[in-house]
Amino acid sequence: DSGVTQTPKHLITATGQRVTLRCSPRSGDLSVYWYQQSLDQGLQFLIQYYNGEERAKGNILERFSAQQFPDLHSELNLSSLELGDSALYFCASSALMGQPQHFGDGTRLSIL
Amino acid sequence: DQQVKQNSPSLSVQEGRISILNCDYTNSMFDYFLWYKKYPAEGPTFLISISSIKDKNEDGRFTVFLNKSAKHLSLHIVPSQPGDSAVYFCAASARRSGGGADGLTFGKGTHLIIQP
Repeated sequence: DSGVTQTPKHLITATGQRVTLRCSPRSGDLSVYWYQQSLDQGLQFLIQYYNGEERAKGNILERFSAQQFPDLHSELNLSSLELGDSALYFCASSALMGQPQHFGDGTRLSIL
Repeated sequence: DQQVKQNSPSLSVQEGRISILNCDYTNSMFDYFLWYKKYPAEGPTFLISISSIKDKNEDGRFTVFLNKSAKHLSLHIVPSQPGDSAVYFCAASARRSGGGADGLTFGKGTHLIIQP
């Protein structure tokens, strides 16, 4: 158990819809990262937050956004969903930026 | 453009022998490297890391070697055990000016199978 909690584990929705994925980092970790794992692209970094502030952006689409709240949990919002957004979405956390990241078990998003 | 490459999709090793997983990178700005292990239906689990100021780091049965001139790193597992059967991911990041580091760039993974 990494200590990183992601909910829900599975999400099934339709094209055009909007969903919110939630992540609770390990106790004491200030940095949260979001990754997308699809069959063809592997694990891709999306975005990073540190103590409530956005710190780095990777290959995140404009339809996607995230935030980190004062209690340090984070949410990833995906809107105008397309079939290609079907993937595993992982959250990771680390105590400080640049230290090993510890991953949750992911949310599997299926778009029908 | 794949900046982190794991050229062996799978590797089969006999129990008790050494497993060697390889990883190549192209981005010379990468200065922090990690190995993760992943079982089906679980998230990646951190195994071991190495900073670019070192060329070797050891933790129990796991040793990571870094060859900066060749832009190559490897993970050695000795001795290999049945529970080591999993997908292993190599990852890298670059420290940013002003502190912190970018998100991790992952290879596509190597499926290690330990044969009894």
